[in-house]
Amino acid sequence: EAGVAQSPRYKIIEKRQSVAFWCNPISGHATLYWYQQILGQGPKLLIQFQNNGVVDDSQLPKDRFSAERLKGVDSTLKIQPAKLEDSAVYLCASSLDKGQYYEQYFGPGTRLTVT
Amino acid sequence: AQSVTQLGSHVSVSEGALVLLRCNYSSSVPPYLFWYVQYPNQGLQLLLKYTSAATLVKGINGFEAEFKKSETSFHLTKPSAHMSDAAEYFCAVNGGSNYKLTFGKGTLLTVNP
Repeated sequence: EAGVAQSPRYKIIEKRQSVAFWCNPISGHATLYWYQQILGQGPKLLIQFQNNGVVDDSQLPKDRFSAERLKGVDSTLKIQPAKLEDSAVYLCASSLDKGQYYEQYFGPGTRLTVT
Repeated sequence: AQSVTQLGSHVSVSEGALVLLRCNYSSSVPPYLFWYVQYPNQGLQLLLKYTSAATLVKGINGFEAEFKKSETSFHLTKPSAHMSDAAEYFCAVNGGSNYKLTFGKGTLLTVNP
């Protein structure tokens, strides 16, 4: 089966610019996650969707980050305006359903560099 | 709250030597525990997971981990390292009231010929 797809793979922008990332989860997966992985650290959950509704966005910097999952399939994550500290790899993951039991499958990530 | 501590940000072994990557966790509810591997410029791949069944869990590529509740540990081992094992390894816990996956900071494994 096809895995989680993400694009672009790499992005370089200047601070105060905006950027958007796209994620296509595994077909049939109801739950979608966006993680931020700063160099030298483990991934940190930014937002979790169940179908097209938000389950958890407690660690999403809502003054600059936004995410949507229209129609409960693809998702986009946007940063506007970007700051230097937003430089990181943004990982998308999906699972069949939410909860402890369900394995999360990760995409290859988008590496963002803010200069 | 839940958390994961990985002891040692960098572990270096010789090819053929034992691999031991340490992970300690805290969780307010019985946890599910995971080890993921990340190769350069790739996403995370699941190595193995503990889901409250057998305490010794076998995963892919010859890795295994043992859940020790008394020590709140879930260390990852492999009897004989291969060059292809060089990567970053992340321990993660899924527990707590909202069942959110929390990762450790990772351990970079290098394998010397």
